[in-house]
Amino acid sequence: KNQVEQSPQSLIILEGKNCTLQCNYTVSPFSNLRWYKQDTGRGPVSLTIMTFSENTKSNGRYTATLDADTKQSSLHITASQLSDSASYICVVSARTGNTPLVFGKGTRLSVIA
Amino acid sequence: DVKVTQSSRYLVKRTGEKVFLECVQDMDHENMFWYRQDPGLGLRLIYFSYDVKMKEKGDIPEGYSVSREKKERFSLILESASTNQTSMYLCASSPLDRGYNSPLHFGNGTRLTVT
Repeated sequence: KNQVEQSPQSLIILEGKNCTLQCNYTVSPFSNLRWYKQDTGRGPVSLTIMTFSENTKSNGRYTATLDADTKQSSLHITASQLSDSASYICVVSARTGNTPLVFGKGTRLSVIA
Repeated sequence: DVKVTQSSRYLVKRTGEKVFLECVQDMDHENMFWYRQDPGLGLRLIYFSYDVKMKEKGDIPEGYSVSREKKERFSLILESASTNQTSMYLCASSPLDRGYNSPLHFGNGTRLTVT
């Protein structure tokens, strides 16, 4: 069964610190992996999309990595800001199937002053 | 910038009522989707559409129907609302590619409470 598991479920860090969120998946055949940021009360917004051949991709202070062999991805946030407080959702797309997108349950990040 | 607009941010309805959730996108996207989001369960796909007047069931279609009469508009219908349909409903769109490689653009959600 295609699954996406995210860890930790929630995380609290001090402003200015770095953090790393994890995503493990069993989706096959793999097409791409996406990270979304969802602020409270808003819809998710795309941060990065990575295909099989991409190991790393950055979007400002956000850097996503992908290891297609071990089926793991991470999202690293550098020099966190209060505005980084949000849920981060990992989504993996299969190359086949009627409903190819498989969503993780998200990691809730709280950045405190 | 793609804009996906959901007509209501908050809705309160009574059990048994027929409920319409409306979604409009302004980027001429072929694909449109309805998800519901519940704590601890993440996003789950209800219905999606790849073209006008076309619809396909997602993972949890029971109790819902949809309508896509125009390309830019995708409506979710709860035929007879029940309390277990209390949830956050998110609409999304993406260009043709069946969503395999294109990012989804989400609206800001409708929080529906059924009492």
